[in-house]
Amino acid sequence: NAGVMQNPRHLVRRRGQEARLRCSPMKGHSHVYWYRQLPEEGLKFMVYLQKENIIDESGMPKERFSAEFPKEGPSILRIQQVVRGDSAAYFCASSPSRSLYNEQFFGPGTRLTVL
Amino acid sequence: EDKVVQSPLSLVVHEGDTVTLNCSYEVTNFRSLLWYKQEKKAPTFLFMLTSSGIEKKSGRLSSILDKKELFSILNITATQTGDSAVYLCAAHNSGGSNYKLTFGKGTLLTVNP
Repeated sequence: NAGVMQNPRHLVRRRGQEARLRCSPMKGHSHVYWYRQLPEEGLKFMVYLQKENIIDESGMPKERFSAEFPKEGPSILRIQQVVRGDSAAYFCASSPSRSLYNEQFFGPGTRLTVL
Repeated sequence: EDKVVQSPLSLVVHEGDTVTLNCSYEVTNFRSLLWYKQEKKAPTFLFMLTSSGIEKKSGRLSSILDKKELFSILNITATQTGDSAVYLCAAHNSGGSNYKLTFGKGTLLTVNP
């Protein structure tokens, strides 16, 4: 059973470009979570999605950031018009559906560098 | 605002030593507390604790939760160099459909040979 997959592992963008980060959850998992880890900081929750639905986006910046989890295909975190402050590691996690107590399994992360 | 605080922030020990990592939390609608080990990649799940006073063990690692005092500890006995990593503590809350994890900043453990 493959774990959570993220790609790309490293992404370099210039200021003003768009960044698209992809996450494929573990097989059988329909809950996806995105976290951001800044240098010297802990993981910060961004958004929680189920298939075709955004459940909680309270950790997402109001502008330039969006997330989706379509019926088919991976979840995508999109950052438009990137700025240097967006440089961070972005982790995706997934958990099984219909579980009240369940751990979140993390992917290897995408390290975004904005030049 | 939900908060998780870990201490110490970093720790250097010698192989064979025993270490205790601390995690305190203030989280609304607390559900569970999780420990992860993060090397240079994905955080790897270690434990989930939901009940006070019940120790969870996995080899040389063990953890316990105190829901009255709002803290948890992670113990590692007979440490090895492979235990060197950042150990993350996260509190899991649940309000309605909200399953957000709030993480501490982590404890960087370095085990020297």
